[in-house]
Amino acid sequence: DGGITQSPKYLFRKEGQNVTLSCEQNLNHDAMYWYRQDPGQGLRLIYYSQIVNDFQKGDIAEGYSVSREKKESFPLTVTSAQKNPTAFYLCASSHQGYGQPQHFGDGTRLSIL
Amino acid sequence: QKEVEQNSGPLSVPEGAIASLNCTYSDRGSQSFFWYRQYSGKSPELIMFIYSNGDKEDGRFTAQLNKASQYVSLLIRDSQPSDSATYLCALDSGGGADGLTFGKGTHLIIQP
Repeated sequence: DGGITQSPKYLFRKEGQNVTLSCEQNLNHDAMYWYRQDPGQGLRLIYYSQIVNDFQKGDIAEGYSVSREKKESFPLTVTSAQKNPTAFYLCASSHQGYGQPQHFGDGTRLSIL
Repeated sequence: QKEVEQNSGPLSVPEGAIASLNCTYSDRGSQSFFWYRQYSGKSPELIMFIYSNGDKEDGRFTAQLNKASQYVSLLIRDSQPSDSATYLCALDSGGGADGLTFGKGTHLIIQP
């Protein structure tokens, strides 16, 4: 079955530590996205990528980094510069083009130790 | 700055009735609109999308779009307890290049 796989499901970060969240899709989608969701809030865009080896900052990119070396993969690193990383992180993908709906993985819940 | 406004609720509806969820947006250039359902602790699931003014029906769900009034709604007929969730409205201003802008969602409770 095609889908988007995020791992791990739960992640804990220590002070000063970088952590990487995995996102893999086998839907043959060109575009991939990372969102952050805080309790009672909507989703906010962190980074997005339309093609391999290219990505753009979203609304809240500070303290995060990404790479897009393969079409199927779009990992997100939460760096120590992100002072408030506790949130639910969601990866999504879509076909390129006008008005394409996005489909989400199951999410990673990140907390500070 | 694109903004999407939704009443946070909770919106309480008796089982079997019609649930009406509303969303307004600020960007007149918005072209495509999406409704997602999110159960507590889970990721959003696409329910409907609509691009043109008017109604679009899919089973028990109907999306309604009025671009002149910058208003999009979702109707759920014959509401079931399993419809209890948070419903997120999202919009894409065209091209999809910069992701979707989401509202904060409306919490819907279907009372048995």
